[in-house]
Formats: sequence, C-alpha cells, structure tokens
Amino acid sequence: DTEVTQTPKHLVMGMTNKKSLKCEQHMGHRAMYWYKQKAKKPPELMFVYSYEKLSINESVPSRFSPECPNSSLLNLHLHALQPEDSALYLCASSQVHRGVLDGYTFGSGTRLTVV
Amino acid sequence: GESVGLHLPTLSVQEGDNSIINCAYSNSASDYFIWYKQESGKGPQFIIDIRSNMDKRQGQRVTVLLNKTVKHLSLQIAATQPGDSAVYFCAEDPLGGGADGLTFGKGTHLIIQP
Repeated sequence: DTEVTQTPKHLVMGMTNKKSLKCEQHMGHRAMYWYKQKAKKPPELMFVYSYEKLSINESVPSRFSPECPNSSLLNLHLHALQPEDSALYLCASSQVHRGVLDGYTFGSGTRLTVV
Repeated sequence: GESVGLHLPTLSVQEGDNSIINCAYSNSASDYFIWYKQESGKGPQFIIDIRSNMDKRQGQRVTVLLNKTVKHLSLQIAATQPGDSAVYFCAEDPLGGGADGLTFGKGTHLIIQP
C-alpha cells in the first residue's frame, strides 16, 4: 500500500459544529503532516508529528487540534471554525529519517467549507 | 507565454512541445527539492526529486535542474501531452533527511494547447 487515505473527501460545517478529518497510511511512515491549501495558493504546513508526538506547530489557531492515536492514523479536530478556514486540508507522510531521495506522500485532501 | 501577478503564473504550450517551469527557492541551506503536479480537486502528486549534491536528474519525460548558485530549480517536461495540464509546485526541504515538512513555491499553471 503506497497511499495516504483521507476522509471525508468533502465536508460542510457550521461555525458552531465540531468535526474531525481523518488520515491513514500503511507505509510504515513515522512522520505525518497536516497542510492547509487555499485556492490558487501553495500548501502551507500546519502540524508535524514524529513518532506519534507533535514536533512542529506552525502557530495554528487552537480551533484546530491535531491528534496522532497511532503510527498509521492522524486526525484533525475542528471546532468553532470561521468561514476563512474553508480550504483543502492535505495530509502527508514520510520516513522520519529519510534516506537519499525518500520523499513525502500526499493524500487527496478534504475539501472543507465553513458556513 | 508566462504571466505573473495576483493570479497563479500561467505557462501555455502547444501539445508535443517541450515546457520549462521555473522556481526560485529561498533557503540556501535546503538539501532536498521535489516537484509536484496538482490536478484540480486532487492532492499533490510526486513527479521527481533531487538532492543538493546533484545538478540534474532525469525521469520519464521529465528532467529537474538545480542551480544552487542562484537558488533556482527548473522542471523540463518533454513532448507535453494534454494530461500534463495541471498546477506544478516546487517544494524545498530546509534540513533534508528529517521530518521537517516542505515549503512550497507559488506554483505555475501549465496549460497544454491542442
């Protein structure tokens, strides 16, 4: 299995809702990432987990709460979002100590709309 | 031609021609670079990568060139096909070899004209 699987593919939520985005990989990668991508913009790093521990938080607002329950799963819990949080949320994975030319694998993303 | 402004830079080429997409990166210490292709509604798809100790790497119909002196990366696509139409991003890994996450360039929208 060489894929990163994200669910759901689309999500519409109200500003008072609580929802979660899920990401799964079975490549044995021990680093997992959340990115946010607005239309016509590049992906921007949000969080990095290394060996199931949060290693990087790029000053993301607390209404986004990541969780890594095990080495294959990564969640992003959403609460009290704003319309400007509407975006494509991408999950990626990689080896922690990457050898020569070991890359990153991205999922297809969750298209989030906050109404 | 290529246009830069408030919108995503766009490169329009005829089907069958070669295309060159350019990228300037910011961190002179970056050790690892990747080109991604992103089609509408999909996640970034790996195309080709290169380490800082290389200046050229070839794949199937694609070549990446790295000029560390001027911090410039380019992606050459030979004999472009309609399926090559997409947004192309370069990405740099500041430290290389670790779980740091990637920093993406602005992206270029490649349009293949029939």
